[in-house]
Amino acid sequence: DQQVKQNSPSLSVQEGRISILNCDYTNSMFDYFLWYKKYPAEGPTFLISISSIKDKNEDGRFTVFLNKSAKHLSLHIVPSQPGDSAVYFCAASVLGAGSYQLTFGKGTKLSVIP
Amino acid sequence: EAQVTQNPRYLITVTGKKLTVTCSQNMNHEYMSWYRQDPGLGLRQIYYSMNVEVTDKGDVPEGYKVSRKEKRNFPLILESPSPNQTSLYFCASSFGGGANVLTFGAGSRLTVL
Repeated sequence: DQQVKQNSPSLSVQEGRISILNCDYTNSMFDYFLWYKKYPAEGPTFLISISSIKDKNEDGRFTVFLNKSAKHLSLHIVPSQPGDSAVYFCAASVLGAGSYQLTFGKGTKLSVIP
Repeated sequence: EAQVTQNPRYLITVTGKKLTVTCSQNMNHEYMSWYRQDPGLGLRQIYYSMNVEVTDKGDVPEGYKVSRKEKRNFPLILESPSPNQTSLYFCASSFGGGANVLTFGAGSRLTVL
């Protein structure tokens, strides 16, 4: 059973507009969430994270929102730039249990059109 | 430069021929892990290690072995590769724990004929 779901395999957005990438999870024990970005021929790189005690975390153009009751998080990129074109992975972990495990979603490929 | 180094980056081999993908990190990280990425399946964990001589299975360990004899190295061993192990493999490391950000290697693309 997939515990972290990214239901949109791809997303296309015009440059300058907002990109919204969504992620749903089923395990209510998850208490820490991360987003990774991956360019072709490179490994994933960390983008932004959020703890379950928060509902929003912002870093420059990137904001992650967490809705615990809906078991949903989203990554907002404003404004979107062509260099943001990449695959974005949502990941979750159970920090409270001292877990070292990260569970990843399948990824969403973002294309920002100039 | 802090990094995770994987070798080889690309490999084509044949069924049954043992191979090892090496992984080395220079950040003194305790935690290391191997993932495979397949189309439509995302990143799936193969094995992980919380410290030297401590390893455990991830979600898809069948057909793989690992060892952690030194803190910096975490090789992935395919004793008898099969075509269903054709994939893109990533090694990653962190200081430990889910809150610690994983640093990934650049990936190793393996093709088993």
